[in-house]
Amino acid sequence: AQSVTQLGSHVSVSEGALVLLRCNYSSSVPPYLFWYVQYPNQGLQLLLKYTTGATLVKGINGFEAEFKKSETSFHLTKPSAHMSDAAEYFCAVRPLYSGNTPLVFGKGTRLSVIA
Amino acid sequence: NAGVMQNPRHLVRRRGQEARLRCSPMKGHSHVYWYRQLPEEGLKFMVYLQKENIIDESGMPKERFSAEFPKEGPSILRIQQVVRGDSAAYFCASSPIDRGSHQPQHFGDGTRLSIL
Repeated sequence: AQSVTQLGSHVSVSEGALVLLRCNYSSSVPPYLFWYVQYPNQGLQLLLKYTTGATLVKGINGFEAEFKKSETSFHLTKPSAHMSDAAEYFCAVRPLYSGNTPLVFGKGTRLSVIA
Repeated sequence: NAGVMQNPRHLVRRRGQEARLRCSPMKGHSHVYWYRQLPEEGLKFMVYLQKENIIDESGMPKERFSAEFPKEGPSILRIQQVVRGDSAAYFCASSPIDRGSHQPQHFGDGTRLSIL
C-alpha cells in the first residue's frame, strides 16, 4: 500500500528565510503527488501537483516542489517565508492510473514563521 | 463558483446522540470523499461515493458510521450513538467525473464535531 512520510511535524523559520518541507513516498512506481495547505479552521487548499513531465513544479503563493525519483521525494520549498505562510502542509499521493481513488496523506507539517 | 460546501461548521453532541454531517460537492463533481482529521494526525480516508453508490468504504468504522450520496441532495455522513472518540474534524472532498488519477480533490472547510 502507498504511504507518505513527512519528516518533521513542526518546522519553524524566520521571516524571509528558506522554507523546506520534506515528503517521501513509498512506491516502486512513482505516483501522482500533491501538496495541500490548511489554514486554521479551514479546509485543504491545493498548492501544487506533480503528474508527469517537468520534475520542478511551481504552485501558488511562491511555493514549488521537485520530484526526485531516485530519492522517492517531493519536497516543498519557498525561497523566502512570509508570515502568512504559517499553516499546516500536507503531502498526498495517488497511484498512477488508479482513477479517482482516495488520496493517501502524510501526517502533516506545521510551519511557524517567526518575525 | 461555489466550492465544496459542508454544514454545519461546528456540531456539538452528547454521548449517545446521532450526528449528521452534510456535504454538497462542487458543481459538476460526481465523486465525494469523506476524511477524518484527528489532532497531530493527517487526514484518514473514510469513504468514497458516487451518486447512489458507495465505491470504497474501507476506512469507515464497521459500526455506527454510515454514508450516502443520494441522486438528489447532499452527501450525508451519519454517526449513530456518538462517543467521545468521535470528536474530530470531518472533511469532505469532491472531484469531477473520472478524468484520470491526476485530478486533485477539492475540499470543504470541514465540520468540527465535539462530543460532550
